[in-house]
Amino acid sequence: GDSVTQMEGPVTLSEEAFLTINCTYTATGYPSLFWYVQYPGEGLQLLLKATKADDKGSNKGFEATYRKETTSFHLEKGSVQVSDSAVYFCALETSGSRLTFGEGTQLTVNP
Amino acid sequence: GAGVSQSPSNKVTEKGKDVELRCDPISGHTALYWYRQSLGQGLEFLIYFQGNSAPDKSGLPSDRFSAERTGGSVSTLTIQRTQQEDSAVYLCASSLRTGGDTEAFFGQGTRLTVV
Repeated sequence: GDSVTQMEGPVTLSEEAFLTINCTYTATGYPSLFWYVQYPGEGLQLLLKATKADDKGSNKGFEATYRKETTSFHLEKGSVQVSDSAVYFCALETSGSRLTFGEGTQLTVNP
Repeated sequence: GAGVSQSPSNKVTEKGKDVELRCDPISGHTALYWYRQSLGQGLEFLIYFQGNSAPDKSGLPSDRFSAERTGGSVSTLTIQRTQQEDSAVYLCASSLRTGGDTEAFFGQGTRLTVV
């Protein structure tokens, strides 16, 4: 079945540091890939997505590229801010199937 | 409504009691999901409704859990004979589901505490 594996957290960085959160997947067919974010005290919301190989999703300075050859969708940001502190979830969806989430990665950015 | 609405936002119940959690999805969304998020844990899939198709119940942890979706809109998740391990935040999401390129919109969740 479909599965998503994220790097283990928590991740703690200083402000303006470079961020990478690794995500790899296993899926039948050709999934769409997503990063969702959960800020403290808030619900999950979509951060970015990519629907086919080599697509790059981007939003709020975050980027992730759909790499079919390595079945990966790593999240990156060049310079994190304190306000980026949140839990980040990688997810996939195949046509006719449900969303499958990774375990989530807690990010804390210190000033 | 503007977003996915869940009620109640908080529920404290005694062990052994039944509880019902409600989800109002975004109007027109054909797909509806229930997930469970325990403290410090990821999202555990429970059940998925898509249009008139039979629901995917593969994530329900036991036969104490059931869900229905009436008229393709509102959904109710029922937990019978609650146990302390059922304590968690129950999240509902809906999406338009046109092919695989869709966004799931989440509600704020119902925090269930079984005492």
